[in-house]
Amino acid sequence: DAKTTQPNSMESNEEEPVHLPCNHSTISGTDYIHWYRQLPSQGPEYVIHGLTSNVNNRMASLAIAEDRKSSTLILHRATLRDAAVYYCILRDGTSGTYKYIFGTGTRLKVLA
Amino acid sequence: DSGVTQTPKHLITATGQRVTLRCSPRSGDLSVYWYQQSLDQGLQFLIQYYNGEERAKGNILERFSAQQFPDLHSELNLSSLELGDSALYFCASSGGGNTEAFFGQGTRLTVV
Repeated sequence: DAKTTQPNSMESNEEEPVHLPCNHSTISGTDYIHWYRQLPSQGPEYVIHGLTSNVNNRMASLAIAEDRKSSTLILHRATLRDAAVYYCILRDGTSGTYKYIFGTGTRLKVLA
Repeated sequence: DSGVTQTPKHLITATGQRVTLRCSPRSGDLSVYWYQQSLDQGLQFLIQYYNGEERAKGNILERFSAQQFPDLHSELNLSSLELGDSALYFCASSGGGNTEAFFGQGTRLTVV
C-alpha cells in the first residue's frame, strides 16, 4: 500500500484559510487521493477525493501537484467545527479491494 | 447521519469473553470495512467484505473473525478478549468502484 506523510499537527485562526499538506511520493498512476476527517468521539467523515485534477466541493478544495507526489487540502475559512484529525489516504483504483489505509493524520487546531 | 448503523454503541465485558459487533451498511452499499482505533491511536484496518465475500485483510488477529450476510449487514466477532482489545471499533460501507466510504459512529468496547 502506498504511504502518505502528513505533519502531526497544525494551527489556524478562525475564518482564515487552512492548507493541509500531504506527501505521497510513491503514488501509482491508479491511486486516488482521498481525504477524511475525524472529529472528537466520532467516526471518520469523507471530505474530498481526486485523481489528477484539482477538485472542489462544499466542504473543501483539493489541489494535486502536477507530478501527483503531493496534494493539499484547502479549507477556505476555518471554523471551530473544523477542528479534527485530517487523514490523507491513497486508494488503489484497480486492485478491486479499495481498502482505506489510514496514517497518523494531521491534528488541526482552530483558534478563536 | 452517515447511514451506517453500528450496534451496540457501548459494550463492557470481561477478559476471556466473546462479543459480536454488528454493522448495517448504507442502503445499496456492497462493501463493508472494519477498523479498530485504540485510545489516541490511528485507525487500523481489520478486514473488508464485498457482497458477502472477504475482499481484503489487514491487521486482524486470529481471535477475531467477521462475516457479511446476504442482506449485507456484517458482524465482527471478537473472542478470548484481552485488556488490549479495548478500543473503538468502526464499520464503514461504500458502493462499487472508487467511491467514498461512510463510517458509523463506532462501538466502544471496554474489556475489564
